[in-house]
Amino acid sequence: QVQLQESGPGLVKPSETLSLTCTVSGVSVSSDVYFWSWIRQPPGKGLEWIGYIYNSGNTNYNPSLKSRVAISVDTSKNQFSLKLTSLTAADTAVYYCAREFLLEGRYFDLWGRGTLVTVSS
Amino acid sequence: QTVVTQEPSFSVSPGGTVTLTCGLSSGSVSTSYYPSWYQQTPGQAPRTLIYSTNTRSSGVPDRFSGSILGNKAALTITGAQADDESDYYCVLFLGSGSFVFGTGTKVTVL
Repeated sequence: QVQLQESGPGLVKPSETLSLTCTVSGVSVSSDVYFWSWIRQPPGKGLEWIGYIYNSGNTNYNPSLKSRVAISVDTSKNQFSLKLTSLTAADTAVYYCAREFLLEGRYFDLWGRGTLVTVSS
Repeated sequence: QTVVTQEPSFSVSPGGTVTLTCGLSSGSVSTSYYPSWYQQTPGQAPRTLIYSTNTRSSGVPDRFSGSILGNKAALTITGAQADDESDYYCVLFLGSGSFVFGTGTKVTVL
């Protein structure tokens, strides 16, 4: 059974860097037919695509976050990770990792359960 | 900055039909944007309903259907049920390789 599981700190201070990891089980993050995304949702608000990684290292980011975001992959652990710098309260959100299956179009076919990150001193 | 707009809310009677739309701030939505639709209930991760305009994801009831209506993508719920009461989001894939989520529609069944 393919699953995605987010992990990371629930509380981060303003101006610091957020680091989250998505552990993938049941499929290889190295597979050429999947892209791996991060998506977030501030409390009570809508969803926002952050970016994705594919082919074990190529990335594409939301232009509005590009200067603060980095997504990487660790194939030995079958994980991919998100780093978001210079945090403010506006970055408080539930962060989801998601999979995109290229052979069926461009959409998210599998989601993690999400992890809440609060930015506060 | 590309903005994808959806109706803020809709109310539908049980057994009724409702059509949600997904439009672009500039231009028309076509199949080239690979519109997809997601359902989200409070505290839960989104659930994939429709991809590539009109393909239902595995296990999704056939009362959910996707289409292009005029210059927008559309999600129609035919024969609404109580557990269809959720937030619905569309997503468009842009030529730059980026995704944009719509603003979301809250559907109430009563």
